Amino acid sequence: GAVVSQHPSRVICKSGTSVKIECRSLDFQATTMFWYRQFPKQSLMLMATSNEGSKATYEQGVEKDKFLINHASLTLSTLTVTSAHPEDSSFYICSARDIAGEWNEQFFGPGTRLTVL
Amino acid sequence: GENVEQHPSTLSVQEGDSAVIKCTYSDSASNYFPWYKQELGKRPQLIIDIRSNVGEKKDQRIAVTLNKTAKHFSLHITETQPEDSAVYFCAAKENFNKFYFGSGTKLNVKP
Repeated sequence: GAVVSQHPSRVICKSGTSVKIECRSLDFQATTMFWYRQFPKQSLMLMATSNEGSKATYEQGVEKDKFLINHASLTLSTLTVTSAHPEDSSFYICSARDIAGEWNEQFFGPGTRLTVL
Repeated sequence: GENVEQHPSTLSVQEGDSAVIKCTYSDSASNYFPWYKQELGKRPQLIIDIRSNVGEKKDQRIAVTLNKTAKHFSLHITETQPEDSAVYFCAAKENFNKFYFGSGTKLNVKP
């Protein structure tokens, strides 16, 4: 099946620094990728929709200037958490939709555990 | 936007018994309803899904039912095994291909 990777898998950073997380579709092309945040023992919350070649669309309550999304190619989307603070510590998961595949299917990456000290 | 509610939050069953998890959704335009199993620290794994033009779907010990009129859908696991223990999430996909997830159910299957 389709494979989505994320890098890094874990990152620890100091408060005030920025962290970039990559989401790649390895064997398919994705015009649309999605970014989720999951706090411990909670559900996946959709943060934004990443669109190749255009601006990302953000869910209500998600600060676009804090969570910068760039979808520069059909296989790569990046999420940059700017000026990270401890409350940004979370599990960030991306998913991607295969433009040539089943319309409903989304494939999830393995997630990135962010810890802000 | 879509609002998905899931119950119960925790479910404990004896091995061999059945488990049922229920979800409701708010947006009548939602047309696809997947169920995911997530183990601690791992990505969600799709276990079964159903489209809005189907009322029931079964795959071995797992089945999903959908009631479009009432806007609710359920996951049924029969003959549960300890390896079924995990957190299960329902989701609903609305017109813009966004998935909205339920709050999750922690299933514990006791041997």
